[in-house]
Amino acid sequence: ETGVTQSPTHLIKTRGQQVTLRCSSQSGHNTVSWYQQALGQGPQFIFQYYREEENGRGNFPPRFSGLRFPNYSSELNVNALELDDSALYLCASSQGAVNYEQYFGPGTRLTVT
Amino acid sequence: AQSVTQLDSQVPVFEEAPVELRCNYSSSVSVYLFWYVQYPNQGLQLLLKYLSGSTLVESINGFEAEFNKSQTSFHLRKPSVHISDTAEYFCAVSDWSGAGSYQLTFGKGTKLSVIP
Repeated sequence: ETGVTQSPTHLIKTRGQQVTLRCSSQSGHNTVSWYQQALGQGPQFIFQYYREEENGRGNFPPRFSGLRFPNYSSELNVNALELDDSALYLCASSQGAVNYEQYFGPGTRLTVT
Repeated sequence: AQSVTQLDSQVPVFEEAPVELRCNYSSSVSVYLFWYVQYPNQGLQLLLKYLSGSTLVESINGFEAEFNKSQTSFHLRKPSVHISDTAEYFCAVSDWSGAGSYQLTFGKGTKLSVIP
């Protein structure tokens, strides 16, 4: 039990739509990161927030965006969904700015049709 | 940017036999290394980590990994596997992204199947 929760568990969307995925991390975990795990692949880093500020981004287009709130919840928003966006989206949190040890939530399975 | 190579995509092994899951990473000045395990339809769980100090690190369920800087490897081993070890294992490296954060880079994973 990592104390990181994600919602919803599963989601089906149509190409071109927008989606919001949610994550809640432990109190005191100031850093949250989002990863995309395509079928048969390892997770790929999307972006990271320290407190409410984005402070790191992977090789993902701007239609992937996020928000972090003071209550340790966060959102991943994806606009103009494409079929290749179908994946498991993982949220991970850690203490402090030096986030080399991360705790993962169970993920949200997104299917784009 | 770092890269992580897991040399075997699938490893079948008989119960109570030893196993080694291989992981190599691209070199860097300093890195932190991790093994995560993922059971079906679940998120990632941290299995063990190397941050500094002893190059041999152990988990509570019998796995161990050895950091080898000269070979840029961090192979995972267990002397005797159980059915419950069946899962997918991911090697990951964390290093400074230069943009104010540490970034985890994962390998593609190794599926360990324990055969009764």
